[in-house]
Amino acid sequence: DVKVTQSSRYLVKRTGEKVFLECVQDMDHENMFWYRQDPGLGLRLIYFSYDVKMKEKGDIPEGYSVSREKKERFSLILESASTNQTSMYLCASSLVGQGDEKLFFGSGTQLSVL
Amino acid sequence: DQQVKQNSPSLSVQEGRISILNCDYTNSMFDYFLWYKKYPAEGPTFLISISSIKDKNEDGRFTVFLNKSAKHLSLHIVPSQPGDSAVYFCAASVGSGGGADGLTFGKGTHLIIQP
Repeated sequence: DVKVTQSSRYLVKRTGEKVFLECVQDMDHENMFWYRQDPGLGLRLIYFSYDVKMKEKGDIPEGYSVSREKKERFSLILESASTNQTSMYLCASSLVGQGDEKLFFGSGTQLSVL
Repeated sequence: DQQVKQNSPSLSVQEGRISILNCDYTNSMFDYFLWYKKYPAEGPTFLISISSIKDKNEDGRFTVFLNKSAKHLSLHIVPSQPGDSAVYFCAASVGSGGGADGLTFGKGTHLIIQP
């Protein structure tokens, strides 16, 4: 079974702090994604990466950056956390050429910025 | 501009009856569609998908119907069970070959199965 692991289930941070959200997948997937989920807004794509050291902006990249130094790890960075970044963050991965766009998601990190 | 729309934020269905969740899309380039199920405090899990070359795909109690001319798809759950209570997300993509752009999701429908 594919396993996508997010390092924290719950995080509480203060406004202005630098926040790192870590994600690791164990199935050698090329593609990795960061989404955020907010009530009434669904899942929105923040950033994605299709290879090591490659990154592309999603629909809502403002206030975020990412890092992919190794194939299995994709980090989301909030340079200076703000209260409007309080959300559920979901990491996902997928395999290129598997014949469908199925994403495998981690369990999510609920981030509260106070 | 929302390209994938789930217009019902919530739906309540009696146990044993049919649940029908609807999804509309605006981007005619979408040719692959998926449904995900999400429980609170967990990540979404894949449920069922359909390619635009088909109009129906069935997997056990779950059937997805696609009407390309109407840009509409629906998920049918028969019979509905208490464990089906969750948020259901409709998602779409251009191409099914594992492209790196991710999926475009709807806002979700909260399905509640009443005993």
